[in-house]
Amino acid sequence: DARVTQTPRDKVTEMGQEVTMRCQPILGHNTVFWYRQTMMQGLELLAYFRNRAPLDDSGMPKDRFSAEMPDATLATLKIQPSEPRDSAVYFCASGLSLNYNEQFFGPGTRLTVL
Amino acid sequence: AQKITQTQPGMFVQEKEAVTLDCTYDTSDPSYGLFWYKQPSSGEMIFLIYQGSYDQQNATEGRYSLNFQKARKSANLVISASQLGDSAMYFCAMREGSGGSYIPTFGRGTSLIVHP
Repeated sequence: DARVTQTPRDKVTEMGQEVTMRCQPILGHNTVFWYRQTMMQGLELLAYFRNRAPLDDSGMPKDRFSAEMPDATLATLKIQPSEPRDSAVYFCASGLSLNYNEQFFGPGTRLTVL
Repeated sequence: AQKITQTQPGMFVQEKEAVTLDCTYDTSDPSYGLFWYKQPSSGEMIFLIYQGSYDQQNATEGRYSLNFQKARKSANLVISASQLGDSAMYFCAMREGSGGSYIPTFGRGTSLIVHP
């Protein structure tokens, strides 16, 4: 049963620290999405990759956030330095560009910045 | 303006009854797709159903059906024969543009509670 995996599942850190979240998309999927979910803002798209190339990261605060795909099996989202307002659940999702109708979400990383 | 509006923050339904979750959308793009996702208390997002703007028939997937009314710009989710396991948050989402672009927008969600 192919699934998107995310690590860590939970992260508690202090303000100012660097946070790295990792995502392993489903093997063969060529699109990867990063979302952030908060009570206040709901689900927001942060970044979107296709064939490892970033296509849209307009939803991501550029000064502290960065997203990369070093290879087809790994996507990373970094926050440096982290702030309390970054506390949220971060989801990764993957899909096939030939089928834009479905994304498969990972379990999420719950980030708490103190 | 909100692209996806879910006006029902919470809904209650009796087990085995049908329930409709509302979703209206706003787009000027002739090509778009509408989705529903389920998020149980465990937190994962589960894809339920998809409707393309050019699809002539309403999408159905098991107990889920999408009541697509294009002129009214509504894409309501109908769950038939509700089960206790259907209790969850439900999100409506829209993708605008053709296959070359996939920028989804999500609604704020509706919390569904199924009573025994």
